[in-house]
Amino acid sequence: DVKVTQSSRYLVKRTGEKVFLECVQDMDHENMFWYRQDPGLGLRLIYFSYDVKMKEKGDIPEGYSVSREKKERFSLILESASTNQTSMYLCASSGGPPYNEQFFGPGTRLTVL
Amino acid sequence: AQSVSQHNHHVILSEAASLELGCNYSYGGTVNLFWYVQYPGQHLQLLLKYFSGDPLVKGIKGFEAEFIKSKFSFNLRKPSVQWSDTAEYFCAVYDFGNEKLTFGTGTRLTIIP
Repeated sequence: DVKVTQSSRYLVKRTGEKVFLECVQDMDHENMFWYRQDPGLGLRLIYFSYDVKMKEKGDIPEGYSVSREKKERFSLILESASTNQTSMYLCASSGGPPYNEQFFGPGTRLTVL
Repeated sequence: AQSVSQHNHHVILSEAASLELGCNYSYGGTVNLFWYVQYPGQHLQLLLKYFSGDPLVKGIKGFEAEFIKSKFSFNLRKPSVQWSDTAEYFCAVYDFGNEKLTFGTGTRLTIIP
């Protein structure tokens, strides 16, 4: 079974702090994704990566950056957290072509005070 | 960019009732279609998918969905729901034109025992 793990289930940070969210998958998947999930808005894509060192902006990249130094790990960085980044963050991975099924992690609920 | 509509935001049904959740996407072209489910406290997981072939696809737990290309729709159905189907359901469309997966806003399903 594919396993996607995220470093924290709950995180509380202060405005202006730098925040790192880590995601690791154990199935040698090429593709990794970061979404945020908000009530009434569904899942919105922040960034994705189809290979190591590669990254592409999704639909809402502003205020975020990512890093993919190793195939299994995809990090989401909030350079200076703001209250409007309070959300549930979901990491996902998929193998092969990007249109394949994505496997999701449990999510990190981030609160920015 | 593709947009995905799930018009039912919250559906409440009694056990044994039949279910149909609507999903429409905004324009044609080659697409792959997905339904994901998020049970309370659990991570998002795949319910079923359509890539090609028979437009009526069957998924886990007795769910099925029908792709109607002319209507840009991929509605989810189940003939008799159970209390354990209480969850949030997300439709997603992979558009080969812009090579992106777009999620709908989700439908919360509550089953009353």
